[in-house]
Amino acid sequence: EDQVTQSPEALRLQEGESSSLNCSYTVSGLRGLFWYRQDPGKGPEFLFTLYSAGEEKEKERLKATLTKKESFLHITAPKPEDSATYLCAVQAETGGFKTIFGAGTRLFVKA
Amino acid sequence: EAGVVQSPRYKIIEKKQPVAFWCNPISGHNTLYWYLQNLGQGPELLIRYENEEAVDDSQLPKDRFSAERLKGVDSTLKIQPAELGDSAVYLCASSPTPGFEQFFGPGTRLTVL
Repeated sequence: EDQVTQSPEALRLQEGESSSLNCSYTVSGLRGLFWYRQDPGKGPEFLFTLYSAGEEKEKERLKATLTKKESFLHITAPKPEDSATYLCAVQAETGGFKTIFGAGTRLFVKA
Repeated sequence: EAGVVQSPRYKIIEKKQPVAFWCNPISGHNTLYWYLQNLGQGPELLIRYENEEAVDDSQLPKDRFSAERLKGVDSTLKIQPAELGDSAVYLCASSPTPGFEQFFGPGTRLTVL
């Protein structure tokens, strides 16, 4: 069964303290892996798409990487405005284009 | 460019009452999704449309939930009758084609009393 597991569930950082969020996945062939950011009371906002192992993408203080079993979202020198829930989602090659989301990591960055 | 529009933003109803949610996707996006999101969880797919056709409704509880996407643009999700366990946020998303990133609306927070 296709599955996505994110860790940790919650992460508290001081401003400027770099860290990484993990997304482990089990799918029968990966079509694509997506990272989203979700602020309270809002819908998820797209950040990155990764398609193959070894691929990396960056945007401001965020960098996403992908291996055959997991993806990392690295946050460099975070600021309080980076506080949000970060969601990972995968689409498998089989099963059509069904998107499976993880439960997310809640990030708190304190000034 | 306008994003995905959903209404209402909030809805409070008594159990056994009907409720409907409306979604207007980004112009030109053929793929439309309805998700359910419980507190502290990721979105769970209810139904996916390609134009007017529901191509994946395997997770839609068809005894009480129904959806339509007339003319391949706007979509409506209905629950009749609502149960206490239906309290959640209902998200609508769209994408140009399946396989691309999805653009989400703000969601409708449903509370069933």
